[in-house]
Amino acid sequence: AQSVTQPDIHITVSEGASLELRCNYSYGATPYLFWYVQSPGQGLQLLLKYFSGDTLVQGIKGFEAEFKRSQSSFNLRKPSVHWSDAAEYFCAVGAGEYGNKLVFGAGTILRVKS
Amino acid sequence: EPEVTQTPSHQVTQMGQEVILRCVPISNHLYFYWYRQILGQKVEFLVSFYNNEISEKSEIFDDQFSVERPDGSNFTLKIRSTKLEDSAMYFCASSDSVERGVWYTDTQYFGPGTRLTVL
Repeated sequence: AQSVTQPDIHITVSEGASLELRCNYSYGATPYLFWYVQSPGQGLQLLLKYFSGDTLVQGIKGFEAEFKRSQSSFNLRKPSVHWSDAAEYFCAVGAGEYGNKLVFGAGTILRVKS
Repeated sequence: EPEVTQTPSHQVTQMGQEVILRCVPISNHLYFYWYRQILGQKVEFLVSFYNNEISEKSEIFDDQFSVERPDGSNFTLKIRSTKLEDSAMYFCASSDSVERGVWYTDTQYFGPGTRLTVL
């Protein structure tokens, strides 16, 4: 069965520092991969997605992610974190018969210290 | 920018009562979904809906749950007899129709959620 692992439950970075959030997936074929962000009391906002093609994808708010098939990973990165980036980040893979059942990781809570 | 909306934002109910959670998907989308997130746990898929019928459902989505598109804009999730363990945040999502090989759906856009509290 498809699964997503986010090994870090909490991460704290200083404002202005770089960020990398890890995501590993288990899926038999070429996965469709997503990163969503959830601020407190808010819904899930799409940051970026990978369907095919260039393995380095750019998203909103200065985020990017790199798909590495050999490592079954889709890590999220940002070169310089802002205090407003503090939120919970979810990695997800499209699964099911038509790829429209999202399987989510447990999430990583990002704290930004000034 | 179009967005998915959900009402109410918070629903409190007594165990055994019926609840209906409402969603207005993005207007030109054809695929609709419900997910839930129990506090401290992962976001879980419940059901997907296309062309007025369920296309896929999880084992969580038992006979106590039903979905409906009663008109051209709303998409509802009904829980017939709520249990304490149904307390969760329920998210509605919608996506467009895009053919990608054997897959037909595009990115899912989520609403802000309805927090259901069962007492």
